[in-house]
Amino acid sequence: NAGVTQTPKFRILKIGQSMTLQCTQDMNHNYMYWYRQDPGMGLKLIYYSVGAGITDKGEVPNGYNVSRSTTEDFPLRLELAAPSQTSVYFCASKRDTGELFFGEGSRLTVL
Amino acid sequence: DAKTTQPTSMDCAEGRAANLPCNHSTISGNEYVYWYRQIHSQGPQYIIHGLKNNETNEMASLIITEDRKSSTLILPHATLRDTAVYYCIVAGNNAGNMLTFGGGTRLMVKP
Repeated sequence: NAGVTQTPKFRILKIGQSMTLQCTQDMNHNYMYWYRQDPGMGLKLIYYSVGAGITDKGEVPNGYNVSRSTTEDFPLRLELAAPSQTSVYFCASKRDTGELFFGEGSRLTVL
Repeated sequence: DAKTTQPTSMDCAEGRAANLPCNHSTISGNEYVYWYRQIHSQGPQYIIHGLKNNETNEMASLIITEDRKSSTLILPHATLRDTAVYYCIVAGNNAGNMLTFGGGTRLMVKP
């Protein structure tokens, strides 16, 4: 089992560029989440999905978009990247008993 | 989801038990206590969770007070590899509940 896989692991963007962070899970979990973590801080929820075709905003959704066309995939789209979006992004899926499984993270720098 | 309070940091000698406290005085009857840890800059890792009974697995033990207003995560024989940030979270077990990660406790295991 690969678990939760995120790509890319590292990326540098210029201000105003756009990109998509990919997230795939092979555990058939309905619930998936995107978090961001700034240096020395806890995780903040960006968006989450309760199943294919259903997404909702978390605590810090501005500047991001998501889609969930399949159970496996939950990509995070950054439009018009800004320096404030420099962060580490973690994707997670949730087992029915409540445990979250995280990917290894995608480290994004916006210059 | 109920809010939790944890010490910012703790030290523990290698080989000794590490006892990490967490206060969750506003926990409601259907909310579980979850513990995760984050080693260096990796994705958070699930450790253990419980509702009201004490729980033990291969990684740790979880002691929940009878009134459920606080809990303690116990690492019975801490090693240097247990140095990490430990997050205590309370949330309902419905898969739709979001888990909110605060600042956590930074545990330093020293030789």
